[in-house]
Amino acid sequence: DAKTTQPTSMDCAEGRAANLPCNHSTISGNEYVYWYRQIHSQGPQYIIHGLKNNETNEMASLIITEDRKSSTLILPHATLRDTAVYYCIASLGSGGSNYKLTFGKGTLLTVNP
Amino acid sequence: EPEVTQTPSHQVTQMGQEVILRCVPISNHLYFYWYRQILGQKVEFLVSFYNNEISEKSEIFDDQFSVERPDGSNFTLKIRSTKLEDSAMYFCASRAEQTRGAYNEQFFGPGTRLTVL
Repeated sequence: DAKTTQPTSMDCAEGRAANLPCNHSTISGNEYVYWYRQIHSQGPQYIIHGLKNNETNEMASLIITEDRKSSTLILPHATLRDTAVYYCIASLGSGGSNYKLTFGKGTLLTVNP
Repeated sequence: EPEVTQTPSHQVTQMGQEVILRCVPISNHLYFYWYRQILGQKVEFLVSFYNNEISEKSEIFDDQFSVERPDGSNFTLKIRSTKLEDSAMYFCASRAEQTRGAYNEQFFGPGTRLTVL
């Protein structure tokens, strides 16, 4: 798995967009970018993933740079319940049967009222 | 919405004792995982399980650990002789059958907090 680098922590005002960056400069061509989050003391939760194109779902948007060396997770209207540790993971996608997740330290996003 | 469940939510045990952590994965899932998270540290992969056998395990998953799917619903993690350093939150996860061109995410349970005294 490619190494990812994320800021240790970020703050965001409630109702504003939260933009969480991730660097993955050594990502290989067939590695996807996955985002999970962990709300305090709970199990991690899948958010979104992408390979080259930008992606959007009901939770968030994922913007991947053209060179794929970095990406940004966007929570368009952050709420207090979005306070969590956000993990960016660069790894092979649907090829293997195991697909273990290798978590880093992630970014602690604090949404303030 | 289907979810992964884990029991107990908190387990306290004496060093050297055996513990069994239980998980009920989502019913149509075929891939099962155990992770652990020591307080204040990263979530770490322990083992993956598919087709009634271990498909991958980490260095943490030594001979003291074992997994089993005793029936069609439960997935268990056994620690034979617990050590102080086994104190952690243990998460079970499950995933659906991999479909070509699609990503099936892992669904995590709420965790079991294991405290070894």
